Amino acid sequence: EDQVTQSPEALRLQEGESSSLNCSYTVSGLRGLFWYRQDPGKGPEFLFTLYSAGEEKEKERLKATLTKKESFLHITAPKPEDSATYLCAVQVYNQFYFGTGTSLTVIP
Amino acid sequence: KAGVTQTPRYLIKTRGQQVTLSCSPISGHRSVSWYQQTPGQGLQFLFEYFSETQRNKGNFPGRFSGRQFSNSRSEMNVSTLELGDSALYLCASSLEGNEAFFGQGTRLTVV
Repeated sequence: EDQVTQSPEALRLQEGESSSLNCSYTVSGLRGLFWYRQDPGKGPEFLFTLYSAGEEKEKERLKATLTKKESFLHITAPKPEDSATYLCAVQVYNQFYFGTGTSLTVIP
Repeated sequence: KAGVTQTPRYLIKTRGQQVTLSCSPISGHRSVSWYQQTPGQGLQFLFEYFSETQRNKGNFPGRFSGRQFSNSRSEMNVSTLELGDSALYLCASSLEGNEAFFGQGTRLTVV
């Protein structure tokens, strides 16, 4: 069965304290892996797409990487405005499977 | 460029009623997907429409249905509402079914 697991479920960081979020997957026929950010009461906001192992994408303080079994979202020197739930999703053929997310809180 | 628009934003319905939610995708996007988001289950895929045809369907009962119009706008219908249908319903649009952009969602409460 296709599965997407995110860890940790929740993460509290001090402002400036870098860390990584993990998304591991067991799927056949991966077409792409996506990272989203979701703020309370809002729809997910697209961050990155990764298509093949070894690929990396960066945006401001965020960097996403992909291996054959997992993806990491690295957050460098986070700020309080980075507090949100981060979701990853895998695309298998034309279906998307989402993880349950990592809730990130950055404390000033 | 306007984003994905979902209406209404909030809805309260009674058990047994039916409801229709609307989604207007980003201009030019032909794929529209629907998701149900609940605290316990996360985001779960309902179905995807591409050029007015349902291309994929998730594991939801037949009470959940949808359609897409020629202008790519989509509607989702839930009949015979149950308490467990209370959730945030999200619509996402994409050009070819890959990178998806989400709307703000419709918060449905069934009482």
